[in-house]
Amino acid sequence: AQSVTQLDSHVSVSEGTPVLLRCNYSSSYSPSLFWYVQHPNKGLQLLLKYTSAATLVKGINGFEAEFKKSETSFHLTKPSAHMSDAAEYFCVVSDRGGTASKLTFGTGTRLQVTL
Amino acid sequence: EADIYQTPRYLVIGTGKKITLECSQTMGHDKMYWYQQDPGMELHLIHYSYGVNSTEKGDLSSESTVSRIRTEHFPLTLESARPSHTSQYLCASSELGGLSSYNEQFFGPGTRLTVL
Repeated sequence: AQSVTQLDSHVSVSEGTPVLLRCNYSSSYSPSLFWYVQHPNKGLQLLLKYTSAATLVKGINGFEAEFKKSETSFHLTKPSAHMSDAAEYFCVVSDRGGTASKLTFGTGTRLQVTL
Repeated sequence: EADIYQTPRYLVIGTGKKITLECSQTMGHDKMYWYQQDPGMELHLIHYSYGVNSTEKGDLSSESTVSRIRTEHFPLTLESARPSHTSQYLCASSELGGLSSYNEQFFGPGTRLTVL
């Protein structure tokens, strides 16, 4: 069984300040981990993915995430927030391998960016 | 350009009507998925398919049905819409997956359904 917990339902930051969105996971297998972003009335867009290569993963739009197995965490960070970053962010876990593997989504974190 | 498409983007319809939400992808992916997402909530998998003539129920029970007659097409049908079906429906696709794959899914823009 696999699950993912996003520790904050809402995060508010000022433009130009760092962003931290927290995610913890559990998985019976060696997991793949993803962060997706969803802007209002849009589909989900993949920000970045971890697939057992480098533990520090760089994604689009300046986001990155670090896989920490000992802490079962995959937190998303960005050094400097931009107004366009305001959106819903989903942490996702997948057991890797096999045609029956599925994604499990977290409940999402709404990021608000203020001037 | 390889992409995944959903139509309509928005649909408002009366109770009891039959509706079909369309999903097409041009990426040549074998696996396709339907998710249901209520406002401010996580996505729940309601249907998926491994390929042509394959359909499976997802984690969340749904009164909708799906078909997969062509690789690129995965429509979702509600025979009799009810207000409880009001939600956003997201379609996704991925490669079939193997032991070394990481199952990245690509999402369409979604269909926001309102049943009056």
